[in-house]
Amino acid sequence: DAEITQSPRHKITETGRQVTLACHQTWNHNNMFWYRQDLGHGLRLIHYSYGVQDTNKGEVSDGYSVSRSNTEDLPLTLESAASSQTSVYFCASRPGTGSTEAFFGQGTRLTVV
Amino acid sequence: GENVEQHPSTLSVQEGDSAVIKCTYSDSASNYFPWYKQELGKRPQLIIDIRSNVGEKKDQRIAVTLNKTAKHFSLHITETQPEDSAVYFCAARGISGGYNKLIFGAGTRLAVHP
Repeated sequence: DAEITQSPRHKITETGRQVTLACHQTWNHNNMFWYRQDLGHGLRLIHYSYGVQDTNKGEVSDGYSVSRSNTEDLPLTLESAASSQTSVYFCASRPGTGSTEAFFGQGTRLTVV
Repeated sequence: GENVEQHPSTLSVQEGDSAVIKCTYSDSASNYFPWYKQELGKRPQLIIDIRSNVGEKKDQRIAVTLNKTAKHFSLHITETQPEDSAVYFCAARGISGGYNKLIFGAGTRLAVHP
């Protein structure tokens, strides 16, 4: 079955290190998104992409970057991890720009110490 | 920028009662409004959605209403059961700036007590 998967599921890193979270989907969806989930803030959009070579900043993009070299993957990079980036990160995808359901990955719990 | 506000942040009901969660959105061009349910430790999953050309949609015990003029939409759960306990997120598809993306509310933690 087609799926969207994130790795790792859990990560502990030190302040100042570069960290990359992987997101891979096998539905051939054009649209992919990264959200972070924090208590009291719900799901906040970090970056999103509507296709290969397309990336856009979301609501809370500072300190994060993404790249889209193929349809299946949208890795999220924390350039220099900060304690404020401790969070649960969700990747999501959906087929196109129409009004369709977004499918979420299992989430990655990142702790910056 | 676009914003979605969701109320209440927590909701506690007795089994069998109804639960209502309300959201307002800022982008008047929004035309798609999904609701997601997230159980503890799991990913959000779509439970119902509504498009701007419809005022109400129902699926068994859950229903969503949309008031485009007032820019608010609501989730209604009737005959609540303990398995309805979860965090519920509303979202709006914002299209300002030439792109469309899902903007989420902060979530409502629903507890259904037996």
